[in-house]
Formats: sequence, structure tokens, C-alpha cells
Amino acid sequence: QVQLQESGPGLVNPSGTLSLTCAVSGGSITSSKWWSWVRQPPGKGLEWIGEIYHSGNTNYNPSLKSRVTISVDKSKNQFSLKLSSVTAADTAVYYCARVAQAVAGSQFDYWGQGTLVTVSS
Amino acid sequence: QSVLTQPPSVSGAPGQRVTISCTGSSSNIGAGSDVHWYQQLPGTAPKLLIYVNTNRPSGVADRFSGSRSGTSASLAISGLQAEDEADYYCQSYDTSLSACVFGGGTKLTVL
Repeated sequence: QVQLQESGPGLVNPSGTLSLTCAVSGGSITSSKWWSWVRQPPGKGLEWIGEIYHSGNTNYNPSLKSRVTISVDKSKNQFSLKLSSVTAADTAVYYCARVAQAVAGSQFDYWGQGTLVTVSS
Repeated sequence: QSVLTQPPSVSGAPGQRVTISCTGSSSNIGAGSDVHWYQQLPGTAPKLLIYVNTNRPSGVADRFSGSRSGTSASLAISGLQAEDEADYYCQSYDTSLSACVFGGGTKLTVL
């Protein structure tokens, strides 16, 4: 059973960089899967941030692309998210998730529990 | 404004059947992109409910069913139970945006 666990600071200063890591257990990050980040502002809906393959190939949401970097660390079986120049609008629960199939628009079959990141001074 | 449009809320009495719509456009559902559905209980991560339009993952009750037609998709829940009270989200792929997109979510209330 694949498990994902997000970790990182729960509070980030405005204009700073949000950094999160997703540790994968019960499966290898080098399997033929893409790994994704999704966020959810308090009381609002889900927003796809982007995804990465173990080769390092990435796809990003065009609305966030200029500020987002997703990377992978195969040695630690984890992948990471960096979001720069954050504002209060970036306050959200951030989820990492596994993409079930290596096709565009595939479903997310495993999710982390989510971690709340608040942007505030 | 979400690319996929869902009603903000639906409700039904225990035992009844409800449907939740997900309306897209010619650049996502209408382009043939598959639709997936998630159930999100309060304070928890989304859970995959229906994938590739009509398929249920192992462990999901057959009271849940999905369909897709034209530029829309629907999630049907029959035999409503109190435990079904949750938020439901549709997801697809938009070829114009080259991005995964979600509906705005629908809150199901079991009366």
C-alpha cells in the first residue's frame, strides 16, 4: 500500500518561498508513475499545482508556472515543491498525490493527508 | 472561476438518489478527456470515487456511479446514507490549458 506524507514549515512570510517535501513509502518513486501537488485554500476547492516524473520531467499549472518548481530525490524516495513570492492567496492545505497512469489527465489514486501552510508575517 | 462547473450544493433524504453534474467545454470533457470523481469528508484528503468516467476503485460501494456525455459528466449516488455527506469534486484535463482541472466542488447534505 503506497503512502505519502507531506512535511515542511506551516508558516511562511509574505514574499518568501514555500517549501514542502512528500515522502513516498510502500512503493518506489521510480515506478512508472507521475507524482503531483494539489492545494486547497481554506473553505475552497482543489487546484492542481503540477507534477513530476522520476526522470525529472515536469508539468505545471500555467497559472502558477512562473513561481513553481517541483523536484525529485530518488535516493530518498521523495519529491518536493517550491513556490516563490508567496502571498496570503497561497495559504492552503497542500496535498501530494500519485497519478495513477502515465497519461495526461489521469486520476490521483493515492493522496497524502495534507499540510496547512499559512502565509503571514 | 473553475474550468469545470458543479452545483455548489445538493441534498437528499436517506435512501434517495441524487446526481451531481460537472459541466465542461470542448477543450476538456468535450475533447474526450476522461472525468474522475473524488469524495472529501470534512478534514480529510480527497478519496478517489470514480475513475475514467464510470469505473469504481476496489472498495467503493456500487451505490456510486459515473457517466459522461458530450461536454458534461455526472456522479449518481443511490440509496443515500448519512455517511455520504461530504464534498464531491470532478477532475479532467484541459487541452487548451495543458493542465489538470477540477470542478469547484459540490457539498452533499443528507437530510
